[in-house]
Amino acid sequence: DAMVIQNPRYQVTQFGKPVTLSCSQTLNHNVMYWYQQKSSQAPKLLFHYYDKDFNNEADTPDNFQSRRPNTSFCFLDIRSPGLGDAAMYLCATSRGGQGHNSNQPQHFGDGTRLSIL
Amino acid sequence: KNEVEQSPQNLTAQEGEFITINCSYSVGISALHWLQQHPGGGIVSLFMLSSGKKKHGRLIATINIQEKHSSLHITASHPRDSAVYICAVGTSGSRLTFGEGTQLTVNP
Repeated sequence: DAMVIQNPRYQVTQFGKPVTLSCSQTLNHNVMYWYQQKSSQAPKLLFHYYDKDFNNEADTPDNFQSRRPNTSFCFLDIRSPGLGDAAMYLCATSRGGQGHNSNQPQHFGDGTRLSIL
Repeated sequence: KNEVEQSPQNLTAQEGEFITINCSYSVGISALHWLQQHPGGGIVSLFMLSSGKKKHGRLIATINIQEKHSSLHITASHPRDSAVYICAVGTSGSRLTFGEGTQLTVNP
């Protein structure tokens, strides 16, 4: 059974039209991540939530926002998508330890592939 | 120079061959992760290790902390092992630093 679920798998939007990608988890993990992955590149961390604490990466464009209304759900909002935002967006979760340590496995969803017309 | 370097970038093997993918890193880490990504995007966590060796089925991962090096081995490779294998290291906080990945193709 899928434990990190991303919807939709494929999303097409128009240039400049706001779009929201969703992620839900059944693992009750307190850390949730959003990554952007472009073709043949490594995933790039956009931001993550440690519980309700939002942690934005310094180079994440302002165009990208996130919401985490509860433990299970996390959303990625792209306010005005540009052609350069076409990518695979991956959600992941982990059990966060003391000091926000990264020695916990991350569980990934299947991703949402975003296309911009 | 990337903080996490993988080699080779691309690897083609015949079914049944023993495969090794290498990962070197230049930063202090809390843990090293090996991930598998199939076409279509989903990523699966294969191993997380901070010392020694782990084995799961036909997969073996080793790490040498002093040399800052890890290897992923696949014994008796099969076409279904074809995927991108990604090495990632946990550094500060909850972040992972990813290598560029190794595209593995196993031919029948």
